[in-house]
Amino acid sequence: DAKTTQPNSMESNEEEPVHLPCNHSTISGTDYIHWYRQLPSQGPEYVIHGLTSNVNNRMASLAIAEDRKSSTLILHRATLRDAAVYYCILRDVEGGSEKLVFGKGTKLTVNP
Amino acid sequence: DARVTQTPRHKVTEMGQEVTMRCQPILGHNTVFWYRQTMMQGLELLAYFRNRAPLDDSGMPKDRFSAEMPDATLATLKIQPSEPRDSAVYFCASGLGTQYGELSTEAFFGQGTRLTVV
Repeated sequence: DAKTTQPNSMESNEEEPVHLPCNHSTISGTDYIHWYRQLPSQGPEYVIHGLTSNVNNRMASLAIAEDRKSSTLILHRATLRDAAVYYCILRDVEGGSEKLVFGKGTKLTVNP
Repeated sequence: DARVTQTPRHKVTEMGQEVTMRCQPILGHNTVFWYRQTMMQGLELLAYFRNRAPLDDSGMPKDRFSAEMPDATLATLKIQPSEPRDSAVYFCASGLGTQYGELSTEAFFGQGTRLTVV
């Protein structure tokens, strides 16, 4: 499985934007970039995913670098409820892989 | 509101006892994952099934762990005999896989079973 690198932790203030980076320099052309998050005492939940173009949904935006070797998850206005561990995962869809292999993720702290 | 249901939510057992954890995937989902989470190792994929058939259980200790899907609405993870090092939170997740083998939608996780082996 392709590797991703994320900072161990980040801090933000409530109602400010948060940019969570992820490096994936060994990404292949068929790897999708997925983001999940895990709230305290909960199972992980899907946030967003993309291949090449930037993506937006009701939870967040995903900005993908032109060379696809890095991506950034953007929370436009952080709330206390966004405090969680955020995981950046690469999935090779054409390889027929349904696996989701989690790394250590980034622990986001949101200050009131 | 469709969700993955795991039972029990908490389990405390003595070393050597058999433990069975159950998971009810979202109706219609054909792919089921089992994960284990500890502080030291994070989230580890133990096994996953597609259309009730095990596709990959390479992450699972074979000597004491077994995973099955008796039917499409139930997945089980069994540990026999249990050991203190098995203490962890076990998550089940389900998703919809396509004919080409990839997951077409996101995986939905249950709330987990917190297992403590003393």
